[in-house]
Amino acid sequence: DTGVSQDPRHKITKRGQNVTFRCDPISEHNRLYWYRQTLGQGPEFLTYFQNEAQLEKSRLLSDRFSAERPKGSFSTLEIQRTEQGDSAMYLCASSFSRGRTGQETQYFGPGTRLLVL
Amino acid sequence: QKEVEQDPGPLSVPEGAIVSLNCTYSNSAFQYFMWYRQYSRKGPELLMYTYSSGNKEDGRFTAQVDKSSKYISLFIRDSQPSDSATYLCAMSFSNTGNQFYFGTGTSLTVIP
Repeated sequence: DTGVSQDPRHKITKRGQNVTFRCDPISEHNRLYWYRQTLGQGPEFLTYFQNEAQLEKSRLLSDRFSAERPKGSFSTLEIQRTEQGDSAMYLCASSFSRGRTGQETQYFGPGTRLLVL
Repeated sequence: QKEVEQDPGPLSVPEGAIVSLNCTYSNSAFQYFMWYRQYSRKGPELLMYTYSSGNKEDGRFTAQVDKSSKYISLFIRDSQPSDSATYLCAMSFSNTGNQFYFGTGTSLTVIP
């Protein structure tokens, strides 16, 4: 399978615990995005990377959230001291940028569904 | 007011019907418009990608963008039960390194 993969697919944790999710983008894609989706809502942007550089962060991304993309390949999203309001589907997407020309399409992974008890 | 508004439905149609899904938006700077399909408990899957105003057709799917009205549509012809999913519109300001702004999604059921 050459699509975007995410691990784990499901995570149940207790309030106050830390969790970490992983995303493996499509191999030649240089951009990687994280979104959060709650029930009945569309995905909401959290942050994105171009190669290993984190270029944009949403104000939704509180200081309990941190994302990394070492070496510009896979990415991790960590949530510290989880709260019940963090329960959501966390989606990763990747794309290939040709600079200012050509279309850039974001391809999504299957998501990690987080439940904080 | 949200950047992108989409009627959540649910929408239920008989097999073979023409389905019309719509989104409105408030920011005239949006230039790129996408439709994604999302099956239950799966990630969104890209259906259509259009730039600026006009129509784009791909098989049974047609995407329309009317920038003057800030209104986009997705038409599905000869709908099939396998089309039953949530349809999300998304848009961005440019085609490079920009977040996508999504609607809430419209839940569609096609009844055999």
